[in-house]
Formats: sequence, C-alpha cells, structure tokens
Amino acid sequence: SQQGEEDPQALSIQEGENATMNCSYKTSINNLQWYRQNSGRGLVHLILIRSNEREKHSGRLRVTLDTSKKSSSLLITASRAADTASYFCATDGNTNAGKSTFGDGTTLTVKP
Amino acid sequence: DAGVTQSPTHLIKTRGQHVTLRCSPISGHKSVSWYQQVLGQGPQFIFQYYEKEERGRGNFPDRFSARQFPNYSSELNVNALLLGDSALYLCASSQGQFPGYTFGSGTRLTVV
Repeated sequence: SQQGEEDPQALSIQEGENATMNCSYKTSINNLQWYRQNSGRGLVHLILIRSNEREKHSGRLRVTLDTSKKSSSLLITASRAADTASYFCATDGNTNAGKSTFGDGTTLTVKP
Repeated sequence: DAGVTQSPTHLIKTRGQHVTLRCSPISGHKSVSWYQQVLGQGPQFIFQYYEKEERGRGNFPDRFSARQFPNYSSELNVNALLLGDSALYLCASSQGQFPGYTFGSGTRLTVV
C-alpha cells in the first residue's frame, strides 16, 4: 500500500488563483518531497522538506510539514495554465534507505 | 550535463515475452532506483542498486530483476510479461544510498 495519500484527487481552478494540495502519510519520515508530472512523463522534483522543518518556500511554491499530524501541504500561488499537471508527495523513511514512497497524486487543472 | 537517461522511451511487448529497460545515471551518481507507475497511480519502488549491489527491493515478484554495471548504468529485466506489467518505468539516480530525486523521462511499456 502507498505511504502517502494526496487530497484532493483532482482540483480545477482558474488562472491566478491559489492551489492547495494535501498529503498524509503513515510512518515516521526523514524527508518529504513534492514532485510534478506532466501527462505521464518523468517526475520533476519540486521541493524537499526535512522532518525538522516546518515550512519551506521556492518561488511560487510553499510547503508545510506537520509531523505530529503526519501531513504536508503544497500551496501554488498565482497559478498559471502551465501548472496543469499531477502533483505527488513522496516520503523517505528510516527503513529501506534507498526508497521513496509515493502517494497517488493530485491532478491539478488550471484554466486560462 | 546529461540528466538521467532511459531507453527505450516506448516499448510494446506480447504477454510471456521478456523485456530489458536501461538507465544511465547522472555522471558521478553511484545509485540507481527503479519505480513502476501504473496509469492513475503513484510510482512504486522496485529496486535500488548502489555500488553494483542490490540495496533495496520492493514488493514485486521474482520475474523482476535488475543489475548495475561498473559504469553505474543499470538494467531492469522483466520475464514472462503480464498485461498488468504495462506501466511507465522510471529510474532515479543519486550519489549515495539515500533516495534519488532526479528522475529520467521513463520507459512506457505496453504489454498486449
């Protein structure tokens, strides 16, 4: 079974609006990452947040992490049509060190 | 510098056949991880190889095998293909044993 679960499964917004996606996970983690994937192509790494960090920013992206609730959120501000993609969270745990565990993603559609 | 490269990009095979997928890591990276992504789901970890040794294995049948060569490139082999093996196969590389966050564009395998 997948470690992470994204919510919502699908999100549709207008250009210029903000998009918020949530991720919940089950076991303790070292790091949590967010990825973007366009139309079944390769994954693009967006941002990594470590278990001892609470918030991280990168351009229009803001990621928060709440380890007590085992949850993370990805906020994309001032969305653009080019942000249309699937977004996945992935966690790195203490076991099987070379493995990232992914959720099933949120499909974001940004309408121009 | 070249990123993670995978070949071929697309492949169609018949049930029962064998397939070999290839991955070249970023120069200087010694670890390669393989993931399977079925349509509509997140990637699932198959293998990690580091310094030519298997360092992690996911919950996949023995029909799946891999190896890493002295130049750190890797092959994923799948025997006795099933329709359910149809997926995007992704490769990620990293310098050490921790998970790689840089992915290739993947190989789209269709089993008919």
